[in-house]
Amino acid sequence: QKEVEQNSGPLSVPEGAIASLNCTYSDRGSQSFFWYRQYSGKSPELIMSIYSNGDKEDGRFTAQLNKASQYVSLLIRDSQPSDSATYLCAGTIGSGNTGKLIFGQGTTLQVKP
Amino acid sequence: KAGVTQTPRYLIKTRGQQVTLSCSPISGHRSVSWYQQTPGQGLQFLFEYFSETQRNKGNFPGRFSGRQFSNSRSEMNVSTLELGDSALYLCASSTPGHGTDTQYFGPGTRLTVL
Repeated sequence: QKEVEQNSGPLSVPEGAIASLNCTYSDRGSQSFFWYRQYSGKSPELIMSIYSNGDKEDGRFTAQLNKASQYVSLLIRDSQPSDSATYLCAGTIGSGNTGKLIFGQGTTLQVKP
Repeated sequence: KAGVTQTPRYLIKTRGQQVTLSCSPISGHRSVSWYQQTPGQGLQFLFEYFSETQRNKGNFPGRFSGRQFSNSRSEMNVSTLELGDSALYLCASSTPGHGTDTQYFGPGTRLTVL
């Protein structure tokens, strides 16, 4: 079992819809989780970080963390064609793993005008 | 504040050669992590440096090495290049804290091994 798992997609949504991206992780000791967006040929760009159970909102983005279910999600409201990218879920897995993020394979999101 | 910078942006090497990549972190950031990204394996952790010390290392062969200087700039070296080393090499910097190690990535160095 991979430490961080994502559905590779592609996930296709119409413009203006809500895109829901999901991620599961295997280590209950994991502490911090991050969502990055990566456009083709570019480097990952941080969207959100989340450390505590519950929801965290930033503009059109909402991250959700459920440590009991070992589940992280990212909701994108009012999706725009410019949101079309690969979304990477990452976490600090286990304790003492300083500076080490474990990434999922990424979910490709396509927002159709 | 300037972001993470990496040089060079593109490199073409042949098998058996060695290569050195450079990373300058965001001002004030003392931790630098390196990752390799390939289509097949995704983003994989190479190593992390803090205060000139390697604190963490991923599952890569000894051909991959790195170092960090007193100004927090970091270099990674790959010796005896193999075709499979072709990848995007990314560095990320952060200000370590308790569970808040938010990493910011540089633009990457695209290495092609022929």
